[in-house]
Amino acid sequence: NAGVTQTPKFQVLKTGQSMTLQCAQDMNHEYMSWYRQDPGMGLRLIHYSVGAGITDQGEVPNGYNVSRSTTEDFPLRLLSAAPSQTSVYFCASSYSPNQPQHFGDGTRLSIL
Amino acid sequence: EDQVTQSPEALRLQEGESSSLNCSYTVSGLRGLFWYRQDPGKGPEFLFTLYSAGEEKEKERLKATLTKKESFLHITAPKPEDSATYLCAVPIYGGSQGNLIFGKGTKLSVKP
Repeated sequence: NAGVTQTPKFQVLKTGQSMTLQCAQDMNHEYMSWYRQDPGMGLRLIHYSVGAGITDQGEVPNGYNVSRSTTEDFPLRLLSAAPSQTSVYFCASSYSPNQPQHFGDGTRLSIL
Repeated sequence: EDQVTQSPEALRLQEGESSSLNCSYTVSGLRGLFWYRQDPGKGPEFLFTLYSAGEEKEKERLKATLTKKESFLHITAPKPEDSATYLCAVPIYGGSQGNLIFGKGTKLSVKP
């Protein structure tokens, strides 16, 4: 019973590099979302998706891209990494926005 | 402006010393309130959903309650293993989509 799986768990990047954070869920959830968690800021929504082919921006979308080609996968792309993107990133999924979200264990990302 | 505020930011208890955590919210048309527990290095873990004022949910030493403006998480006779950060979140809707906004959390430490 995997739930929400995020890879990698840790990553160090140099400024300007690009990378993709992977997220997969096996619960057939339509709603998926990406958050970043910073000290003193709480969880902030980056992008979310209500189903395959449909995505929308959250509170802090700049510098990130998403796509949703399948129900299971929702990757987050950093286009050109900046030190301000150093954070812990969480992916979550649920049946709908007003249902409890299930979270992965996060990707800890450092940008040098 | 939709907002979720948690207090206190940190709470230190002795084992067996009961207390309460507060989550106040300002959203139009509440469609539910969620409580999560987050352990260091892990993603948030779902605890409770409350949908209407007066509703209560219990799980072991935890009881969540909801009024029209706030929710409380009561911890009765806590144990060291209850140490964690507790988060509350509410769904908000803009346009045709919806997402969650989180409070910044209360970090609970229970000393033996």
